[in-house]
Amino acid sequence: EVQLVESGGGLVKPGGSLRLSCAASGFTFSHSWMSWVRQAAGKGPEWVGRIKSKSDGGTTDYATPVKGRFTISRDDPENTLYLQMNSLKTEDTAVYYCTVYTYGTMQSWGQGTLVTVSS
Amino acid sequence: QSALTQPPSASGSPGQSVTISCTGTSSDVGAYNYVSWYQQHPGKAPKLMISEVTKRPSGVPDRFSGSKSGNTASLTVSGLQAEDEADYYCSSFAGSNNFVFGTGTKVTVL
Repeated sequence: EVQLVESGGGLVKPGGSLRLSCAASGFTFSHSWMSWVRQAAGKGPEWVGRIKSKSDGGTTDYATPVKGRFTISRDDPENTLYLQMNSLKTEDTAVYYCTVYTYGTMQSWGQGTLVTVSS
Repeated sequence: QSALTQPPSASGSPGQSVTISCTGTSSDVGAYNYVSWYQQHPGKAPKLMISEVTKRPSGVPDRFSGSKSGNTASLTVSGLQAEDEADYYCSSFAGSNNFVFGTGTKVTVL
């Protein structure tokens, strides 16, 4: 069974940084493309970005609102996905989910971790 | 990238059918067969119900079906059950390695 467990969320001031982690199990993480999706309270989900498997180049793509501020990385031996978030803004406040990405679809989702950006 | 347009709400009695629309543009829904549908219960993570317009993942009841015509995709839930009451979101690949989600539809089982 696919399991994705996010951690690292919390309260941070505008301009601050935070690193989220996603521990994966139940599938071959190293072969999988992964993505991050966020959801502000009362709103629909918003795609944040994606990282390919190393065998497919390991490259990343990001949504325009986070490009240049957020970085997705992966540690395949540890089966862990990361999201480094810098220069945080109040509008980045949301629940952040990691997902397994396949064929244009967010196949499996973690339970999410809440990030609150506020002074 | 603008969000895909969904009706805010839909409802039906147990056993009835409800269809939710998801309207995009020729740059997203109309351009790719990578439309997905997600079910989300309050306080829970979204769950994939339909991928690639019509494909139903293992474990999803066959009461759920998807279709697409032009720039509009649709999700139909047949034989509504109480547990189908939830928020539903569509999403579409939008080119240039980008994705767009829908505005969401709250389905109420009367």
